[in-house]
Amino acid sequence: AQSVTQPDIHITVSEGASLELRCNYSYGATPYLFWYVQSPGQGLQLLLKYFSGDTLVQGIKGFEAEFKRSQSSFNLRKPSVHWSDAAEYFCAVGGYSSASKIIFGSGTRLSIRP
Amino acid sequence: EPEVTQTPSHQVTQMGQEVILRCVPISNHLYFYWYRQILGQKVEFLVSFYNNEISEKSEIFDDQFSVERPDGSNFTLKIRSTKLEDSAMYFCASTDWGQGTYEQYFGPGTRLTVT
Repeated sequence: AQSVTQPDIHITVSEGASLELRCNYSYGATPYLFWYVQSPGQGLQLLLKYFSGDTLVQGIKGFEAEFKRSQSSFNLRKPSVHWSDAAEYFCAVGGYSSASKIIFGSGTRLSIRP
Repeated sequence: EPEVTQTPSHQVTQMGQEVILRCVPISNHLYFYWYRQILGQKVEFLVSFYNNEISEKSEIFDDQFSVERPDGSNFTLKIRSTKLEDSAMYFCASTDWGQGTYEQYFGPGTRLTVT
C-alpha cells in the first residue's frame, strides 16, 4: 500500500538550532517526493521536491532534504531555524503516472522556542 | 508567475445544501485534482481529472461529489447535499505533467463550513 509516515507529530526546537523532520514512505514504484509547509489557515507551499539525480535536494527558505532509497526515507533538514519557520510540515509522495495522486503524511507541527 | 486560483476563499452553507467550489487551473495544464483537509488532519486526495473525465477517485468521492470542466478555464467541485463532515479546506491542483515539471501546483484553498 502507498503511504507516508511522519513519526513526529510535534517538534519544538530553539531558534538558531538545527532541525530534522523525519519522513518514511511506502510506494510500489520509483517515487516522486515532496515537502510542503503550511501556516495556520493557509495553503500549501512547496519547499522542495525530488524526482531523480542528486539525492540531496535544496529547497526554499534554506531547507534541504536527502532521499535514501535503502531506508525509504526523505528527511527534511535546516541548519538553523528561525521563528518564522513555525508551521506544519507535510511530506508527500507521488508516482510516475501522469494522473498520479499525491499522498500526504499526517504532518509534523514545528514550534520554535525563543 | 502563473498560479491556481480558487473561489470563494470561504463558503458557509447549511446542511443539505448544494455547493460548488470553483478553481481556475494554470492555463496550459491538462491534469486537475481536488484534495481536502479536515481541520487538524492531513491532506487527502479526492479526485483527478484529465481529458474531460475522471482518472481516479478516492473512497471519499462518493455520489454526493461531482467534478466538471464547464469551459476552457474553470474546474469545479460540486457537493450535492452537504453534510457536517464535509466541513474542510478544499484544495484544487493542476499540472502539465511531463512538459517540464512533474509537480502539482496547489491553489490557496476554499474553506467550507457546513452548519
